[in-house]
Amino acid sequence: KNEVEQSPQNLTAQEGEFITINCSYSVGISALHWLQQHPGGGIVSLFMLSSGKKKHGRLIATINIQEKHSSLHITASHPRDSAVYICAVPLSGNQFYFGTGTSLTVIP
Amino acid sequence: EPEVTQTPSHQVTQMGQEVILRCVPISNHLYFYWYRQILGQKVEFLVSFYNNEISEKSEIFDDQFSVERPDGSNFTLKIRSTKLEDSAMYFCASSESRDTQYFGPGTRLTVL
Repeated sequence: KNEVEQSPQNLTAQEGEFITINCSYSVGISALHWLQQHPGGGIVSLFMLSSGKKKHGRLIATINIQEKHSSLHITASHPRDSAVYICAVPLSGNQFYFGTGTSLTVIP
Repeated sequence: EPEVTQTPSHQVTQMGQEVILRCVPISNHLYFYWYRQILGQKVEFLVSFYNNEISEKSEIFDDQFSVERPDGSNFTLKIRSTKLEDSAMYFCASSESRDTQYFGPGTRLTVL
């Protein structure tokens, strides 16, 4: 049983396309995190959100607490956006459950 | 910009040996974490550490694992008797409060 489900698992897009990655979770949470894992393995925290919407540059994250669903959007995608995008949900306190990730490839 | 550092970047060890993975969190951060990622699998939570003690740990974090903050700057993960299945990337992270976590670059552990 997966507490955190992401879709799609793999995504290929043309440069400039608008991208959406979805995350659904079954555990109760206080906040959800979106992370980016680079091809070399390094992980960067993109967003932590507990309600509504956050924007950082071309990235937008939304969350619907009632529906236990979050989306990560990338506008005007670029090949450097190619990475694995992971959502993570705290089960309790600081114990996080991670999704399996969405592997994004943006083609020039 | 401050960052979390980890050493070594790659550790190769024989099964049954002890390894210590080292992390230097960001200096004013109070919460510290270890995660692991087996090749091709998702990231898994191991343990969180606050106020010089473990605050939470997962089922994976059994008696062969221990964490320590020996000197106020380093945060270490010790695996006492490594098994083949301990081969993974180990990530350290730190946060100022219970919010955005900053991840280190990871240590790739290979157990032969």
